[in-house]
Amino acid sequence: GDSVTQMEGPVTLSEEAFLTINCTYTATGYPSLFWYVQYPGEGLQLLLKATKADDKGSNKGFEATYRKETTSFHLEKGSVQVSDSAVYFCAPPKGTLDNAGNMLTFGGGTRLMVKP
Amino acid sequence: ETGVTQTPRHLVMGMTNKKSLKCEQHLGHNAMYWYKQSAKKPLELMFVYSLEERVENNSVPSRFSPECPNSSHLFLHLHTLQPEDSALYLCASSLGAGGKNIQYFGAGTRLSVL
Repeated sequence: GDSVTQMEGPVTLSEEAFLTINCTYTATGYPSLFWYVQYPGEGLQLLLKATKADDKGSNKGFEATYRKETTSFHLEKGSVQVSDSAVYFCAPPKGTLDNAGNMLTFGGGTRLMVKP
Repeated sequence: ETGVTQTPRHLVMGMTNKKSLKCEQHLGHNAMYWYKQSAKKPLELMFVYSLEERVENNSVPSRFSPECPNSSHLFLHLHTLQPEDSALYLCASSLGAGGKNIQYFGAGTRLSVL
């Protein structure tokens, strides 16, 4: 079945450091892929998306490229800021199941903490 | 402001109480979702409604009872909850229930069960 694996956190970086959060998926076909972000005290919001292979989503300095050959959609940012501290979710294809057979709609989330 | 409003923002209840969480969206969407987010588990999908019909019930205990009276409103009725049900409950909506649709989230209701 379809599945997604997201890098576990927390990730702690200094301001202006380079960020990579890994996300890989397995799916039949080529679904749309998303990254969502959850700032403290808020719900999730879309950060970026890609709808087909080789698409690059970008927003607020973050980028992710939908790589069919490696089935990956890693999130990157060249220079993080303290305000980027949040939890980042890689959203897998709909219908993804976890090991217990339950519907999994989002990856486990990666907490990012950026220190001044 | 995401266009999805959840009330109340905070709720404290005893195990014998009955309460309801409310979600309202003004985005013209026709799919709505309830999620549970706790410190120990990743975001868990609880229920999905599409065109006011429940299309997903993800093995949620019967002490959680959803209701979708129209495409703009979603409720989660709570009764005889357990302390382990303490969590952040998030509501979301999307234009359709398919995987290509972006979900818009409310800020959540922080529930504490004593």
